[in-house]
Amino acid sequence: ETGVTQTPRHLVMGMTNKKSLKCEQHLGHNAMYWYKQSAKKPLELMFVYNFKEQTENNSVPSRFSPECPNSSHLFLHLHTLQPEDSALYLCASSRQRLAGGFYNEQFFGPGTRLTVL
Amino acid sequence: SQELEQSPQSLIVQEGKNLTINCTSSKTLYGLYWYKQKYGEGLIFLMMLQKGGEEKSHEKITAKLDEKKQQSSLHITASQPSHAGIYLCGADTNTGTASKLTFGTGTRLQVTL
Repeated sequence: ETGVTQTPRHLVMGMTNKKSLKCEQHLGHNAMYWYKQSAKKPLELMFVYNFKEQTENNSVPSRFSPECPNSSHLFLHLHTLQPEDSALYLCASSRQRLAGGFYNEQFFGPGTRLTVL
Repeated sequence: SQELEQSPQSLIVQEGKNLTINCTSSKTLYGLYWYKQKYGEGLIFLMMLQKGGEEKSHEKITAKLDEKKQQSSLHITASQPSHAGIYLCGADTNTGTASKLTFGTGTRLQVTL
């Protein structure tokens, strides 16, 4: 369960603050993901990085800015958030899937509980 | 886009009873994942199914993918308090080298003594 770590675990911020969420994986994976989990809504994919390159931006507002400096680290920079952005933010990682190969499960971190006041 | 519907949304069972959770997709499932989540925590991978008719078991949990690959079920035998949590099914909608999961709304399971 310590394969994917996230910090901080809890974060309270005002709408004018700038903060960052950090994710680190120790599994040797090449793909990393950010998800948002709001109350009573399905888990939503936000961003996908594969070998440090962003391959998916699921129509996420620009107040969320991801950064992937290497295959082991993923950040989510937050600025001028809204109260409706309060949610559990989950990071995940997986192996690269070879063309025509098996699908690979994603391993999740414990999440950061974000509250925007 | 692919949508996953889970039923029931919540379930309360007595310890020792069996239960089944269903996941129905609007499109053909090419990779179906089951995860368990304790409230406010990360997801724990349970099982992954790919082939129509496939069935996998781990301890007292069995998951199946139907032949048409549009529905999966998760069955727990002789439930225990440790089984309590939120069960999520996820479908892989990407054929590239990084998976892209769409999740169902989840089934909240409570196990009473």
